[in-house]
Amino acid sequence: ELKVEQNPLFLSMQEGKNYTIYCNYSTTSDRLYWYRQDPGKSLESLFVLLSNGAVKQEGRLMASLDTKARLSTLHITAAVHDLSATYFCAVDIDRGNDMRFGAGTRLTVKP
Amino acid sequence: EAQVTQNPRYLITVTGKKLTVTCSQNMNHEYMSWYRQDPGLGLRQIYYSMNVEVTDKGDVPEGYKVSRKEKRNFPLILESPSPNQTSLYFCASSFVGRGLATNEKLFFGSGTQLSVL
Repeated sequence: ELKVEQNPLFLSMQEGKNYTIYCNYSTTSDRLYWYRQDPGKSLESLFVLLSNGAVKQEGRLMASLDTKARLSTLHITAAVHDLSATYFCAVDIDRGNDMRFGAGTRLTVKP
Repeated sequence: EAQVTQNPRYLITVTGKKLTVTCSQNMNHEYMSWYRQDPGLGLRQIYYSMNVEVTDKGDVPEGYKVSRKEKRNFPLILESPSPNQTSLYFCASSFVGRGLATNEKLFFGSGTQLSVL
């Protein structure tokens, strides 16, 4: 059975600190996506990672993909309150036809 | 403005009363999909469509129907809703050929919060 596991599921951090969210998946895939969801809102695409070793960065967020380890990370640098949201990883297991999501990581950044 | 539009935003209904949640996109996307979001489970795919008149089951299709008569519309139909279908539903779309392009992503609608009593 395919599993996409994120950890932690809940993360409370201070402004200015660094932290990493992990996304492990149990099947072969070379495509992984990160999404952000604000409370009561829809999902917004953050990163698309298309190959082993891919690294994407935008602002204080950096995502990477290791397809051999079946692991993606979302690293937060010097967190600010605006980053408070729920972050989902999603694994594409059928060339776009079947995208499986992790349970999400609810991030709260405190002053 | 490029967008995926879902209606209604909130819906409360009773067991067994047929309902339809509409989804429309204005980006000429071939691919459309429905997801349900439940606490602790992330998003699970219900049905997807690669193009007009082409639909297929996702991870949790039981109790749902879809149709794709036009490219822009992809309604989700619950013929006989039950309380376990209480959930937050999202429609999404993207260009087809996502296995080939280099920057595919899903565009999501605003969501429909459904409560079945």
